[in-house]
Amino acid sequence: DTEVTQTPKHLVMGMTNKKSLKCEQHMGHRAMYWYKQKAKKPPELMFVYSYEKLSINESVPSRFSPECPNSSLLNLHLHALQPEDSALYLCASSQDGGIGNQPQHFGDGTRLSIL
Amino acid sequence: EDQVTQSPEALRLQEGESSSLNCSYTVSGLRGLFWYRQDPGKGPEFLFTLYSAGEEKEKERLKATLTKKESFLHITAPKPEDSATYLCAVRASGSRLTFGEGTQLTVNP
Repeated sequence: DTEVTQTPKHLVMGMTNKKSLKCEQHMGHRAMYWYKQKAKKPPELMFVYSYEKLSINESVPSRFSPECPNSSLLNLHLHALQPEDSALYLCASSQDGGIGNQPQHFGDGTRLSIL
Repeated sequence: EDQVTQSPEALRLQEGESSSLNCSYTVSGLRGLFWYRQDPGKGPEFLFTLYSAGEEKEKERLKATLTKKESFLHITAPKPEDSATYLCAVRASGSRLTFGEGTQLTVNP
C-alpha cells in the first residue's frame, strides 16, 4: 500500500461540473506534486508545492487550480474540463521540499473521465 | 535540456530468463537517477535511487547500476509478478523529474 493517499479513485464528470481531487501524506514530506499521465506515457508534471507554497506551475490551463491547505494535504480543483483532460492524475511527495535529491513517492492516482 | 531514453520499449521473458533494461541519460549535473515500477491502473512505485557512477542497489531479483551515461536494471530469474512497466527518471536542478518512456516487461510462466 502506498503512503500517499488519493481520493477518489475514479471520477466521471461533465464539462460543466466542478470537482476536486484530494491527496494526503503523513510522512512529513515538505514537497507535494501533481502529475497527469496518459495511457502508455510517463507522468507529466503539472504543479509543485514546496513548504506549502506553489513553486512550479508548468503552464497548466486555469481550469486546473491547485491548493495546499497544509503540509499534509494537496487538492486539485477542476472546472470546465475538456475531454482531452481525461487521464490518470497522480499526486507525489518528497522529503526534501523539492530542492534536494530525494525520491518522489506516488499515490495510486485518480482516474478521471470527462464526458 | 535533460533527456532520458529507455530501451527496449517492450520485453518478453520466460520465467527464470534473466535480462537487463537500459536507461540512457543526458543531464547537466545529475542529482539522482530513480527507478520506478508501475502496474496498470496504479501509481509508480519507487524502487531505487542512484546518485553517482559506480553505485549499485539491490532488492530481491532486481539490481540497479549507474555509469556516467546510463543505468541498467538487471532482473535475475524473473517471475510473472515482475511483469510491469519500469520507468527511469533523472533529476538535475530544481524539482523536476525527467522520465523516460518506460519499458513494458512481460514475464511468461
